[in-house]
Amino acid sequence: QSVLTQPPSVSAAPGQRVTISCSGSSSNIENNYVSWYQQLPGTAPKLLIYDNNKRPSGIPDRFSGSKSGTSATLGITGLQTGDEADYYCGTWDSSLSAGGFGGGTKLTVL
Amino acid sequence: QVQLVESGGGVVQPGRSLRLSCAASGFSFRSYGMIWVRQAPGRGLEWVAVIYYDGSIKYYVDSVKGRFTISRDNSKNTLYLQMNSLGVDDTGVYYCASVRRGGGWYFDYWGRGTLVTVSS
Repeated sequence: QSVLTQPPSVSAAPGQRVTISCSGSSSNIENNYVSWYQQLPGTAPKLLIYDNNKRPSGIPDRFSGSKSGTSATLGITGLQTGDEADYYCGTWDSSLSAGGFGGGTKLTVL
Repeated sequence: QVQLVESGGGVVQPGRSLRLSCAASGFSFRSYGMIWVRQAPGRGLEWVAVIYYDGSIKYYVDSVKGRFTISRDNSKNTLYLQMNSLGVDDTGVYYCASVRRGGGWYFDYWGRGTLVTVSS
């Protein structure tokens, strides 16, 4: 059971925009930084966003992150078929003294 | 370039032990924390254990406390995960990743993973 809650799936058409939510609590998201990871089928996860809204070098600005209170959001604009993947949010949980991920969201580009 | 290569996975019976290794290259291994993350078949990512750059501090998810031990040898650029009393719920792909610290922790480089199957 994940400490963070994500929708199991989202979908949108190519070229459109989609958002993926990540809901937590005061012991995790509200008082810690959030990162996001993309996992393409059959591959290892890849860092997309760190410290709530920062992109590592090489990650296009189509990907964005934000945080408000106990929730975080990943936004993807200009959807491409290559964006079809599972997306995970992650953060530290102060009450558990451990980190955690959301359950993951499968993005389908119709 | 940065490379993380896991090894040591395989099929093991319930109650037995296994030790995973993660060989690192292409970055200053001794300067960064490291983490093990696992993924059960068809499931999401699960944070397993993290270790500070010098091995001084370690954190574990509750489900592995007392059974798993994370360690590192900075002279060999290698991370380890000793897994004891394995159960079927420990089955999955185990990834190692490097831990960077900005405002919070994040995992910027990942290995390809090694599969652990616990089955009788």
